[in-house]
Amino acid sequence: AQSVSQHNHHVILSEAASLELGCNYSYGGTVNLFWYVQYPGQHLQLLLKYFSGDPLVKGIKGFEAEFIKSKFSFNLRKPSVQWSDTAEYFCAVPKRGTYKYIFGTGTRLKVLA
Amino acid sequence: DAEITQSPRHKITETGRQVTLACHQTWNHNNMFWYRQDLGHGLRLIHYSYGVQDTNKGEVSDGYSVSRSNTEDLPLTLESAASSQTSVYFCASRRDFGTDTQYFGPGTRLTVL
Repeated sequence: AQSVSQHNHHVILSEAASLELGCNYSYGGTVNLFWYVQYPGQHLQLLLKYFSGDPLVKGIKGFEAEFIKSKFSFNLRKPSVQWSDTAEYFCAVPKRGTYKYIFGTGTRLKVLA
Repeated sequence: DAEITQSPRHKITETGRQVTLACHQTWNHNNMFWYRQDLGHGLRLIHYSYGVQDTNKGEVSDGYSVSRSNTEDLPLTLESAASSQTSVYFCASRRDFGTDTQYFGPGTRLTVL
């Protein structure tokens, strides 16, 4: 069965530190991948998505993610985090043959000012 | 602008009461979803609908029901609220397969006493 796993459940960083959040998926075929962000008290918003082409995807607010097919990974990165990046981050993949998404359990990022 | 709204945003109820959470989207999306978000579990799918008169159970559907009488609305009903249903509930919609983003509502925080 398809699955998505996020191994970092809680991450604490200081401002200006670099960020990398892991996301691994199970399905080996054509895959579309998403990262969503949920700021405190708000709903989920799309950060970036990958469908095809350049495996390095640029998103909003300086985030990027790299699709590495051989590693079944789609890790989220930001070179220098800000306090305002404090949020929960979810990786997601559409379930094949359906309109549903499979979400990872999320990673809570806290950035210290 | 098209949007997805939920009401109420906060609700406190008692065990055993019937509760209905509203979800309304103006994108004319056929596909709508209800999730609950709990610490340590991420987002879990409760019910979903692929169109009018279509409803399907998700992974945590026990104690919940939905109905889809038009494209815009997918109300979620807790038949007899239980304390285990205290959670934050998110409604989402999506247009089509693959490339389309899933859009989320602002969430409803439900407390069952």
